[in-house]
Amino acid sequence: ELKVEQNPLFLSMQEGKNYTIYCNYSTTSDRLYWYRQDPGKSLESLFVLLSNGAVKQEGRLMASLDTKARLSTLHITAAVHDLSATYFCAVDNAGNMLTFGGGTRLMVKP
Amino acid sequence: DTGVSQDPRHKITKRGQNVTFRCDPISEHNRLYWYRQTLGQGPEFLTYFQNEAQLEKSRLLSDRFSAERPKGSFSTLEIQRTEQGDSAMYLCASSLAGGPQTQYFGPGTRLLVL
Repeated sequence: ELKVEQNPLFLSMQEGKNYTIYCNYSTTSDRLYWYRQDPGKSLESLFVLLSNGAVKQEGRLMASLDTKARLSTLHITAAVHDLSATYFCAVDNAGNMLTFGGGTRLMVKP
Repeated sequence: DTGVSQDPRHKITKRGQNVTFRCDPISEHNRLYWYRQTLGQGPEFLTYFQNEAQLEKSRLLSDRFSAERPKGSFSTLEIQRTEQGDSAMYLCASSLAGGPQTQYFGPGTRLLVL
């Protein structure tokens, strides 16, 4: 059974600082997705990573995938308050059925 | 707005009642998914359709749950004899078929069973 673990589960950081969220998964896959969820809202797609070594960047967020280590990272550069949200990674190893991690709740303080 | 829509957005019901939720996917998407999310957790896969065919069902989908997509467009998720443990956010997503595709999520239906 595929398991997806994120850490940390909660992250409080100052504006302007950098940090990384980690996503580990238990079985082989080369399809990994990152989503953002604001409180009470649905999920917004951020990144799709489809091969070993894939790196995607959008604004202050950069995601990478290491399929050999079964690890994806979401790096935050110079955080701003608008990035406060819960971030989920999700792995697809069975043809479009996503298994989500538990989420990382990010709070960026001024 | 041409995104995924869900109705109702909120539902409060008493234990033992039946409830039905509707999902309208993005119009050109032929895959449709249902997930359940409880507070503080990530979404959990329930089932998915390609066109009108239901291709996968999670073991989370007990026999009290049934999903349909009769014409390959909108889908319904029915829960019979609701239990308090069914209280959750029910999320619908859609995608194109063929290879890895991003799933686009709707706003969800929040169910509270009293």
